[in-house]
Amino acid sequence: ILNVEQSPQSLHVQEGDSTNFTCSFPSSNFYALHWYRWETAKSPEALFVMTLNGDEKKKGRISATLNTKEGYSYLYIKGSQPEDSATYLCAFRDYGQNFVFGPGTRLSVLP
Amino acid sequence: DAGVTQSPTHLIKTRGQQVTLRCSPKSGHDTVSWYQQALGQGPQFIFQYYEEEERQRGNFPDRFSGHQFPNYSSELNVNALLLGDSALYLCASSFGYQNSNQPQHFGDGTRLSIL
Repeated sequence: ILNVEQSPQSLHVQEGDSTNFTCSFPSSNFYALHWYRWETAKSPEALFVMTLNGDEKKKGRISATLNTKEGYSYLYIKGSQPEDSATYLCAFRDYGQNFVFGPGTRLSVLP
Repeated sequence: DAGVTQSPTHLIKTRGQQVTLRCSPKSGHDTVSWYQQALGQGPQFIFQYYEEEERQRGNFPDRFSGHQFPNYSSELNVNALLLGDSALYLCASSFGYQNSNQPQHFGDGTRLSIL
């Protein structure tokens, strides 16, 4: 059974703070790591698809890094805004086409 | 350009009944995946359809079955409903079965409540 973990489970930050959270996944048989943002009452929205060890992706104030050898990815948000409040999900895909989501990190940005 | 659409939005059933959920993929997508999301958990993979065949399946019992039509739309059927089947059911579409570098596009989900 593939296990994908995310930490912390939830996070409260003040507007303007920078924050980061972690996704841990199996280091063997890695194929890709996806990050999604899921706002309340909306559908999950793709942020990044990462495939190479050492990959860094950026989209506005959000960026992500990937370490496939040790099995983790970090998601960073610079200068958090209230509209960043959402659940951030990572999903691990292996060569067997298994696709496993973590439980998510719930971020609340207080104005 | 329509995104992924799911119907119905909400559904209430009783134990033992059967239910069918529907999904239309984003235009240009040919692969449909279904997920079950229980409260406090991440989405759990049920199965994936491509070229009208089930290509991959998660750890769900045979009570969960599906179908994909020639227009790429898909149905999820659940028989003999249990209280534990109460969840949000998400449909996601993508292009190409083996092209795992493509992100999945999700619908808004169907909220299924079992009484």
